[in-house]
Amino acid sequence: DVKVTQSSRYLVKRTGEKVFLECVQDMDHENMFWYRQDPGLGLRLIYFSYDVKMKEKGDIPEGYSVSREKKERFSLILESASTNQTSMYLCASSLEFTGGEEIGNTIYFGEGSWLTVV
Amino acid sequence: GEDVEQSLFLSVREGDSSVINCTYTDSSSTYLYWYKQEPGAGLQLLTYIFSNMDMKQDQRLTVLLNKKDKHLSLRIADTQTGDSAIYFCAERPAGGTSYGKLTFGQGTILTVHP
Repeated sequence: DVKVTQSSRYLVKRTGEKVFLECVQDMDHENMFWYRQDPGLGLRLIYFSYDVKMKEKGDIPEGYSVSREKKERFSLILESASTNQTSMYLCASSLEFTGGEEIGNTIYFGEGSWLTVV
Repeated sequence: GEDVEQSLFLSVREGDSSVINCTYTDSSSTYLYWYKQEPGAGLQLLTYIFSNMDMKQDQRLTVLLNKKDKHLSLRIADTQTGDSAIYFCAERPAGGTSYGKLTFGQGTILTVHP
C-alpha cells in the first residue's frame, strides 16, 4: 500500500515563528502536493512539485514556501506564521500523469497536520 | 480557472440511499474523483471515473457522469452510520503540464441518523 506520512499531526505555534511541515512518501512518486483544508472551502492547492528541486505555485502560495531536496520528501515552510494560517494541511503524492486510465493516476493523501497559530 | 461546487450538507436515514451531487466547469477534465474524509483523518479515495464513461458501479457506490451538463453524482446504497463523513468531489484536468493537480469541491457533510 502507498503510504504518505506527515510527521506532525498537531502543532501549536506562535505568530511570527517559522514552521516546517514534513511529508514523506514511500512509493517513489514523482508528484507531491501540499493542500490546506478549511471548512466550507474544501481543499486548496498551496504548492506542488513534479521532480526533485522543482516546484510550482498552486492557487494560494502567499505566505508559504516549499522544499524538495529528495524525491520522497516534500516540506512546507511558513516563514512567519500568522493566525490566518491556522488550518489543516494535507500532503499528497502521485505517479507521473500519463493520461491513461491506470489506477496509477490516483493521488494519495496523508493523514493531515492540524496547525494552530496563536 | 476551474471550479467545482457541492452542496455543504446532506442528512439521510440509515438504510436509505444517499446522493451527493457535484458540478464542475472544466470541460477538459479527464478524471473525476470522490474522496471520503472521516473525522480527524486524511482523504481516502472512494472511486473515480474516467471522462469517457457515463457510469461506474462499485459495490454500494454508483457514480454517474453527465458530461454535457458537467454534473457528477455519487450514490451510496443502503447508507450506514459508518458512511457519515465529508465527501469531496475533485476533478483532474487534461494536459501534460497539469502534473495531476486536483481541484476540489467544498465537501459535503453526510450525516446518517438511525
